[in-house]
Amino acid sequence: GAVVSQHPSWVICKSGTSVKIECRSLDFQATTMFWYRQFPKQSLMLMATSNEGSKATYEQGVEKDKFLINHASLTLSTLTVTSAHPEDSSFYICRAGQGDTQYFGPGTRLTVL
Amino acid sequence: AQSVTQPDIHITVSEGASLELRCNYSYGATPYLFWYVQSPGQGLQLLLKYFSGDTLVQGIKGFEAEFKRSQSSFNLRKPSVHWSDAAEYFCAVAPNSGYALNFGKGTSLLVTP
Repeated sequence: GAVVSQHPSWVICKSGTSVKIECRSLDFQATTMFWYRQFPKQSLMLMATSNEGSKATYEQGVEKDKFLINHASLTLSTLTVTSAHPEDSSFYICRAGQGDTQYFGPGTRLTVL
Repeated sequence: AQSVTQPDIHITVSEGASLELRCNYSYGATPYLFWYVQSPGQGLQLLLKYFSGDTLVQGIKGFEAEFKRSQSSFNLRKPSVHWSDAAEYFCAVAPNSGYALNFGKGTSLLVTP
């Protein structure tokens, strides 16, 4: 069946560095991808919506210059956390799909030291 | 404002007992409704979804949910809980399945012997 993958599954980085997270749709073309963030023992919060070939739409309170989203193709979206700080440590999950068909990725655990 | 409420933060049931997890929503129209399960440190697994039609929806792992328009509810049920059902359960809604999901805060299920 259709699968959405994320890479890496977990990453540890030093404060001030940038980290790129990839979200790929493996068996289908995803015109829309959603990026969520989940802090420990909390729910998922939508960060941004990206449509292939256009700029991402960010939710209120999410810094677009800090969380760079690129959706350059129908199978790949990337989220780059720039100048990461410990408070950015979280579980980042993407959701990809087309129309009624939507799938979540397995998530990426980011720990910033 | 659109919202999703899961009134119970924690629920404890005995193995073999029945389970009902509550979900209420506040939307302008009937939204698309979802239930997801998340084990610790893992991604989300879709249990079931409701778009239209029969208001009693069957899902995976023996779960079902019933949409009640008059109560703006979409409660999740299982007749006999297994220890492996212990996890975090999220109710989510969207105006359309292709839109971003709005998640409830989740209900943590503990299953006792």
